[in-house]
Amino acid sequence: EAGVAQSPRYKIIEKRQSVAFWCNPISGHATLYWYQQILGQGPKLLIQFQNNGVVDDSQLPKDRFSAERLKGVDSTLKIQPAKLEDSAVYLCASSLWTGGRDTQYFGPGTRLTVL
Amino acid sequence: DQQVKQNSPSLSVQEGRISILNCDYTNSMFDYFLWYKKYPAEGPTFLISISSIKDKNEDGRFTVFLNKSAKHLSLHIVPSQPGDSAVYFCAASASYGNNRLAFGKGNQVVVIP
Repeated sequence: EAGVAQSPRYKIIEKRQSVAFWCNPISGHATLYWYQQILGQGPKLLIQFQNNGVVDDSQLPKDRFSAERLKGVDSTLKIQPAKLEDSAVYLCASSLWTGGRDTQYFGPGTRLTVL
Repeated sequence: DQQVKQNSPSLSVQEGRISILNCDYTNSMFDYFLWYKKYPAEGPTFLISISSIKDKNEDGRFTVFLNKSAKHLSLHIVPSQPGDSAVYFCAASASYGNNRLAFGKGNQVVVIP
């Protein structure tokens, strides 16, 4: 079974530029998560989707970050405009939705460097 | 506000010996706890979990212990192997939290052959 796919793996941009990340979850997984992991920290949830609806975006900086999952499968996360403090690894994860404790499976992440 | 805390960011251990990783949490609503393992340039991989109704869960060489009164859990790896060299993250969630995970900062484990 294929895992969570993410692209690109690495991205370097100047501050104030825009960037987008793509995620393809494991087939059949209804729930998709985007995490931000700053160097030396644990992953922090940015947004959680169930199918194409947002379940939790309380920690998403909505003035510059946006995410969508239009058809309930793939998702994109966008930053516009980027700041230096956005330099981090952006992890996508997916899980089944059983109403219980569903294991989250992570992709390899996109390492973003903002100069 | 760090709700899940992992101190002692790095640990070195001889192959064959026991590795013990500790984790403390502050949110009393957490009732499910997990450990994830992460290799460089890869995403975290689920390792083992424990529900708050238990105080121990074992899976092969990995055992997680939970002390609810102390809000403390630990991961024991016995025996440690070179392939266990990785960063280990402690995570926690609450029943009301839509399966949202709060992660600690991670512990780097180096197993010396």
